[in-house]
Amino acid sequence: EVQLVESGGGLVQPGGSLRLSCTASGFTFSSYEMNWVRQAPGKGLEWVSYISGSDNTIYYADSVKGRFTVSRDNAKNSLYLQMNSLRAEDTALYYCARVDAAVAGGVVFDCWGQGTLVTVSS
Amino acid sequence: EIVMTQSPATLSVSPGESATLSCRASQSVRSNLGWYQQKPGQAPRLLIYGASTRATGIPARFSGSGSGTEFTLTISSLQSEDFAVYYCQQYTNWPLTFGGGTKVEIK
Repeated sequence: EVQLVESGGGLVQPGGSLRLSCTASGFTFSSYEMNWVRQAPGKGLEWVSYISGSDNTIYYADSVKGRFTVSRDNAKNSLYLQMNSLRAEDTALYYCARVDAAVAGGVVFDCWGQGTLVTVSS
Repeated sequence: EIVMTQSPATLSVSPGESATLSCRASQSVRSNLGWYQQKPGQAPRLLIYGASTRATGIPARFSGSGSGTEFTLTISSLQSEDFAVYYCQQYTNWPLTFGGGTKVEIK
């Protein structure tokens, strides 16, 4: 069974840091592009970051550029998001999402974790 | 950044009826458009990619159409499990962007 499990969320003060993890199972992790997508409470979806299978291509949303760093460890089937200088507006449920390999040249998400909640508050 | 605008924000439909959801892009995204369904407390589920291709396991009552800047998701004969929030997403340009969502509720 294909599965993504996020962890690492929690309550952090403004200006603080957190590192999110996403552990994959049931598929060849290194063959898939991965992303982070977030959803503020009661709001819509916001794409955060992309990393290619070999991690030589990375993209960020402008809202997190310079503060967040995405990485992966294919040997551990894991995706990470290092979040620094956190702001109240970063409060959200953070999903890791797999890119559908059947969509040639496209980035849509065919598998999602259940999310990990990040709350930035003093 | 390509802005995706969905309408209406809320759609009230009776079970068995059809629903038509719209998504508009601020510039052409060709056919690089996906649709997702999200139920309360759940992660989104991919329904459609390439504007009109159903994802694996998606029932035929879900259909997508459009290209360029205007897209439609049609759900025919709504079932109880179809009441949810629907999002469109473009993947022509970075950053990837989602629409604000359409909530399909029971009338």
